[in-house]
Amino acid sequence: DVVLTQSPLSLPVTLGQPASISCRSSQRLVYSDGNTYLDWFQQRPGQSPRRIIYRVSNRDSGVPDRFSGSGSDTDFTLKISRVEAEDVGVYYCMQGTHWPPITFGQGTRLEIK
Amino acid sequence: EVQLVESGGGLVQPGGSLRLSCAASGFTFSSYWMGWVRQAPGKGLEWVANIKKDGSEKYYVDSVKGRFTISRDNAKNSLYLQMNSLRAEDMALYYCARIDNGATHDYWGQGTLVTVSS
Repeated sequence: DVVLTQSPLSLPVTLGQPASISCRSSQRLVYSDGNTYLDWFQQRPGQSPRRIIYRVSNRDSGVPDRFSGSGSDTDFTLKISRVEAEDVGVYYCMQGTHWPPITFGQGTRLEIK
Repeated sequence: EVQLVESGGGLVQPGGSLRLSCAASGFTFSSYWMGWVRQAPGKGLEWVANIKKDGSEKYYVDSVKGRFTISRDNAKNSLYLQMNSLRAEDMALYYCARIDNGATHDYWGQGTLVTVSS
């Protein structure tokens, strides 16, 4: 099974400052079709998860452009250029390249300092 | 607007059974894989099962194989999860999700809570 390791697990950030979350995979996530199926989800307190980035770097509709995704092979990053109060929550990476099983990272809790 | 509404959660004793449902609307249900993801209290996300558009292929996480069955009724735009032999470790909020290309879960429901306790 593919193991996704996120760091840090807790991320205190000052409003207006940048934030970065790493997701490292135990296997390369490039699929045979050339795509890399690595997504990022945001889960605000008391809400369902919401996909914000798909296939490494594609932002979902309605997601502010302060969110960006990057990476390749086994190393991926979610960046928030300037953290706002509404960004508080837990962020998960997920891989859909080698499944079953589909696997998630442990989650990174972003809080305002 | 895509909507996924789960139901069927509740309190069940260990060893008991429960059937979860997910009512889908706002998209052509039969054109998408669908799945279930769960989240134990205070824990992270765990994929549970996926089913192909026509129901011909089903996949499960090892911990539920032989106990859970995913199914769908495309005529009713509905997804199901039959859960048997429930254990304490199955206690979680169960989310229904639409699956797009590459197993990406692009839309999620609000979840239905399953509590396993005597």
